[in-house]
Amino acid sequence: GQSLEQPSEVTAVEGAIVQINCTYQTSGFYGLSWYQQHDGGAPTFLSYNALDGLEETGRFSSFLSRSDSYGYLLLQELQMKDSASYFCAVPRGAAGNKLTFGGGTRVLVKP
Amino acid sequence: DTGVSQNPRHKITKRGQNVTFRCDPISEHNRLYWYRQTLGQGPEFLTYFQNEAQLEKSRLLSDRFSAERPKGSFSTLEIQRTEQGDSAMYLCASSLPSGVYTGELFFGEGSRLTVL
Repeated sequence: GQSLEQPSEVTAVEGAIVQINCTYQTSGFYGLSWYQQHDGGAPTFLSYNALDGLEETGRFSSFLSRSDSYGYLLLQELQMKDSASYFCAVPRGAAGNKLTFGGGTRVLVKP
Repeated sequence: DTGVSQNPRHKITKRGQNVTFRCDPISEHNRLYWYRQTLGQGPEFLTYFQNEAQLEKSRLLSDRFSAERPKGSFSTLEIQRTEQGDSAMYLCASSLPSGVYTGELFFGEGSRLTVL
């Protein structure tokens, strides 16, 4: 089976940095993805890490350590619009993008 | 906009009624997925199609649930004899053709089901 653990909620102020951790257990590992979902909206893809290390995309970065079964999403220069839920996800197998999602971390950005 | 389209966006029904949701994926995507999401939880995988073939069904998908993708384009998800526990957001997603793995799914905005 597969399971992913992430904190349920994080609160921070505008301009701050937030790190959302994700630990996973899978029978096989093919990469770690991150998604953002605003209330009432569709989950939208943020990043994907297949190899160890840091991937940077603008204000958001994602890190993976396969030996530790651990990754994180780093949100920098927080803006009010970053208030959303963030999910880590792993593929359910080697073929295709069938994903198992974590329970999500709700990020609340305060002025 | 040529993103994933779902309808209806909202459906309120009485327990025991049947409901059907439709998903139109991005046209060049041959893989289509259905997920269910309840409040405060992550999306849970239900089933997926490659073209018209249904390749996997989750144990969450009871006999009351059926999904089709008759021509490998749009898909429908039908729930028969709805129960209050079926109340959730039903999300559809599509992805690039097989062999191109990017970890990225393109989600629609979902169909919210409320069973009274």
